[in-house]
Amino acid sequence: AQSVTQLGSHVSVSEGALVLLRCNYSSSVPPYLFWYVQYPNQGLQLLLKYTTGATLVKGINGFEAEFKKSETSFHLTKPSAHMSDAAEYFCAVSGGGNFNKFYFGSGTKLNVKP
Amino acid sequence: NAGVTQTPKFQVLKTGQSMTLQCAQDMNHNSMYWYRQDPGMGLRLIYYSASEGTTDKGEVPNGYNVSRLNKREFSLRLESAAPSQTSVYFCASRVPQDTQYFGPGTRLTVL
Repeated sequence: AQSVTQLGSHVSVSEGALVLLRCNYSSSVPPYLFWYVQYPNQGLQLLLKYTTGATLVKGINGFEAEFKKSETSFHLTKPSAHMSDAAEYFCAVSGGGNFNKFYFGSGTKLNVKP
Repeated sequence: NAGVTQTPKFQVLKTGQSMTLQCAQDMNHNSMYWYRQDPGMGLRLIYYSASEGTTDKGEVPNGYNVSRLNKREFSLRLESAAPSQTSVYFCASRVPQDTQYFGPGTRLTVL
């Protein structure tokens, strides 16, 4: 079975500071990896994904993530936080024998201070 | 193109009552999913349907049943609601080996 670990249920940064949200996964084979964002009282929206190819992937709103197989990590970064980035972020993995299933991390709430 | 739609948006039930949550997608996706979201636990898969006519259990299927009515629609039924089923329920659909698209959710409270 696969699992996803997001370190830090709450992260707080100042506006303009670097955003780093951590995600580690366990999978016996290279998985597909996703980051989703959820704004209050809304569904989940895809930020970015890694399936194959380039390990550094860029997403919407200036976010990017790097797939590091040796570290089984897929951390999400943004060079400069904006107030509108305040939301909950979820890392998800699919694959490892059953590409139909997704496994989600428990989420990280990002707070952006003025 | 509405994407994934869910009804109702909100529901309050008493313990023991039954109800069906409806989900429909207009993206011609084969796979559809039902999740529940609880604080601090992320999304947990209840059931999924890889294609029309098939359904499979996810992590937390107990107390739920599903029906893949056709390619567009995938419903979730609670036969006898319990307070532990108070949650936000999300439906999603996807193309094979690609992104999931989520509906807006149903907030269910069981008293």
